[in-house]
Amino acid sequence: NAGVMQNPRHLVRRRGQEARLRCSPMKGHSHVYWYRQLPEEGLKFMVYLQKENIIDESGMPKERFSAEFPKEGPSILRIQQVVRGDSAAYFCASLAVPGELFFGEGSRLTVL
Amino acid sequence: QKEVEQDPGPLSVPEGAIVSLNCTYSNSAFQYFMWYRQYSRKGPELLMYTYSSGNKEDGRFTAQVDKSSKYISLFIRDSQPSDSATYLCAMSAGTGNQFYFGTGTSLTVIP
Repeated sequence: NAGVMQNPRHLVRRRGQEARLRCSPMKGHSHVYWYRQLPEEGLKFMVYLQKENIIDESGMPKERFSAEFPKEGPSILRIQQVVRGDSAAYFCASLAVPGELFFGEGSRLTVL
Repeated sequence: QKEVEQDPGPLSVPEGAIVSLNCTYSNSAFQYFMWYRQYSRKGPELLMYTYSSGNKEDGRFTAQVDKSSKYISLFIRDSQPSDSATYLCAMSAGTGNQFYFGTGTSLTVIP
């Protein structure tokens, strides 16, 4: 899974600040998924994007969260006005052939 | 009812044992079935990927899919301490669809 690059690996924000998490998929992959994982819990789907398109955002909170995957550059998950409940590990995954979903190492957000 | 159910464990076995991990699901449209291994504070690592029903073997790992029972399994032979991790099952109906994950089973292999 080293091919999916996420940064920053660790991010600390105070309540009310913005968090931006970046994901560069594996070379040649044009599908990106974002998941959130809380300690001792499973992966919760947030959003599925293709280049310049949001395919499924049914797992995204309606407010404060947004995602994009521009034609050039990484996919970005943006969290505005962070609250303590946003503290979690955020994982990005990119898709090769159907079924082969590869994950990055995650970005761990801590909200103080 | 959750899309995917997985016993969280924890599961503790002696080194060399055969480990059986299982998931059940409810959506008959699922065609792609995966097993991931996740070490603490790391990203999930794809172990096995199976399309539709049947078995797939890779070294010490064997994945089985029984679509008629909506049941998938991962077997680990000759388990090693380095296999100690959380194992996640995942499944999808295909490209353009979500991947649904189990909550993970925590495995400890005791030397």
